Amino acid sequence: AQSVTQLDSQVPVFEEAPVELRCNYSSSVSVYLFWYVQYPNQGLQLLLKYLSGSTLVKGINGFEAEFNKSQTSFHLRKPSVHISDTAEYFCAVSSNQAGTALIFGKGTTLSVSS
Amino acid sequence: GAVVSQHPSRVICKSGTSVKIECRSLDFQATTMFWYRQFPKQSLMLMATSNEGSKATYEQGVEKDKFLINHASLTLSTLTVTSAHPEDSSFYICSLRVRGSSYEQYFGPGTRLTVT
Repeated sequence: AQSVTQLDSQVPVFEEAPVELRCNYSSSVSVYLFWYVQYPNQGLQLLLKYLSGSTLVKGINGFEAEFNKSQTSFHLRKPSVHISDTAEYFCAVSSNQAGTALIFGKGTTLSVSS
Repeated sequence: GAVVSQHPSRVICKSGTSVKIECRSLDFQATTMFWYRQFPKQSLMLMATSNEGSKATYEQGVEKDKFLINHASLTLSTLTVTSAHPEDSSFYICSLRVRGSSYEQYFGPGTRLTVT
């Protein structure tokens, strides 16, 4: 079974500052890793995913994440945030076996202020 | 990406009644369908998984007689909350996996259920 730990429940930052949202995972098999964003009262939007290959993945809205197998981490970063980035961010993991669902972390609330 | 719709987007019902939520894929065939529940300010919790041609598999702690899942076709899944109670009030989100993909999940916009 897989599990995900998002280390920060809330991250407040000022506009144009860099941000890192931390995510660690646990799994006994190879995994796929994802970051999703959820705006208030909306569904999930995929930011980026790691399937294989390059450990640095780039996503939408200027976000990127780095897969670190030795540290079992998949931290999300953005060099300069905007007010519009204020949202809930979820890290998710699934095994590479067919039919398995995404398992989500508890989420991190990113609050960007001016 | 694929488009997934859910209907209704919001529903208010009285305690003891049943509510059906539909999840449709609009432009692809979904071989695996998932239902999640999200309580306010919490994460998505997987409720059940249904694969093509088989009954839904429920996660531990989810009552299969209360949350009836029907994988009606490759483009439609329904979740029926039977004899709803206020504690069932939540945000229900469906997710579909495309035929031939081992990882890609597309999410519906969610259904806000309020039981009074």
